[in-house]
Amino acid sequence: EDQVTQSPEALRLQEGESSSLNCSYTVSGLRGLFWYRQDPGKGPEFLFTLYSAGEEKEKERLKATLTKKESFLHITAPKPEDSATYLCAVQASDNFNKFYFGSGTKLNVKP
Amino acid sequence: NAGVTQTPKFQVLKTGQSMTLQCAQDMNHNSMYWYRQDPGMGLRLIYYSASEGTTDKGEVPNGYNVSRLNKREFSLRLESAAPSQTSVYFCASSEWGYEQYFGPGTRLTVT
Repeated sequence: EDQVTQSPEALRLQEGESSSLNCSYTVSGLRGLFWYRQDPGKGPEFLFTLYSAGEEKEKERLKATLTKKESFLHITAPKPEDSATYLCAVQASDNFNKFYFGSGTKLNVKP
Repeated sequence: NAGVTQTPKFQVLKTGQSMTLQCAQDMNHNSMYWYRQDPGMGLRLIYYSASEGTTDKGEVPNGYNVSRLNKREFSLRLESAAPSQTSVYFCASSEWGYEQYFGPGTRLTVT
């Protein structure tokens, strides 16, 4: 069964305190892994797609990495505006239109 | 560009009532999706439409029907609402197999 687990469920950081969020997955064949950001009361917003182990993508203070069984979202020197819930989703290679989402990590960055 | 729009934003129904959630996208995407989001469970796929004229079941299709009206519009219908369908519903679109773009959501309460 395809499954996505994110940890931790919640993370509180001080401004400038770097950390990482984890997304582990089991899928019969991975076509892509996606990271999204979701602000309260809004729909998810796309951040990154990773397709193969060893791949890395960066955007401002965020860097996403991928291994064969998990992905990390590294947050360097976070700011309060980085506070949000971060979701990951996996896409199986046998059906490009089916995406399996984790339950998210709620990040709170205190000034 | 409005992206993905959804109506209504909020809805309260009584058990047994029916309603249709509307979704439209202006990005000329081929694929459209309906998800529900419940606390602690992440986004779960209800139905998707890989292209105009096709629809397929996702993880949790029971109690729902969909219509792909044209390339822009994809509606979700609840024929006889139940309290278990209380949730936040998101519509999304994508170019086939790539990152998804989400609407702002519909918050539905069934009493």
